[in-house]
Amino acid sequence: ETGVTQSPTHLIKTRGQQVTLRCSSQSGHNTVSWYQQALGQGPQFIFQYYREEENGRGNFPPRFSGLQFPNYSSELNVNALELDDSALYLCASSLAVGGETQYFGPGTRLLVL
Amino acid sequence: KQEVTQIPAALSVPEGENLVLNCSFTDSAIYNLQWFRQDPGKGLTSLLLIQSSQREQTSGRLNASLDKSSGRSTLYIAASQPGDSATYLCAERDNNAGNMLTFGGGTRLMVKP
Repeated sequence: ETGVTQSPTHLIKTRGQQVTLRCSSQSGHNTVSWYQQALGQGPQFIFQYYREEENGRGNFPPRFSGLQFPNYSSELNVNALELDDSALYLCASSLAVGGETQYFGPGTRLLVL
Repeated sequence: KQEVTQIPAALSVPEGENLVLNCSFTDSAIYNLQWFRQDPGKGLTSLLLIQSSQREQTSGRLNASLDKSSGRSTLYIAASQPGDSATYLCAERDNNAGNMLTFGGGTRLMVKP
């Protein structure tokens, strides 16, 4: 158990819809990163939030956006869903930017039909 | 763009064998390298983290090495057990990329009783 939780565990959406995924970090962890893991591949970095501001972004379009809240929870929002967005979405928290260890949640499995 | 490659993509061994998983990376400014375990449909569990100044780390039957000059890391698993069956992912963190991890595609390990 890493102390990082994610909800929901599974989700089915249709193309064009919007989705919000949630992550609850370990208490005191002010940095959260989000990753997308397609089936059979390694996770890919989406973005990172530090003290409620975006602090680094991977090669993902603007329809992927996020929020981080003072209570160590965060959201990943995806607009205009595409079939290729089907994946496992993982969040990871750490004590700070530069924190040595990142603690991953169990992920949310998103299926876009 | 940093790249991380893992070979082999899949491996099947009989119980009791010692085995080596390989990870290669292109980043010359690596900050650390981390090995994770992922069970099917689940999140990531951190196994070992090696700082760029270190050459190896050990935890129980696991030993991870890091050779920055050749851009390689290996994960050695001694006396493999069926419970070791999982996907093993390596991920490197760059000096200049905050907490962003670049993952390899993983090695899917099956240990047969």
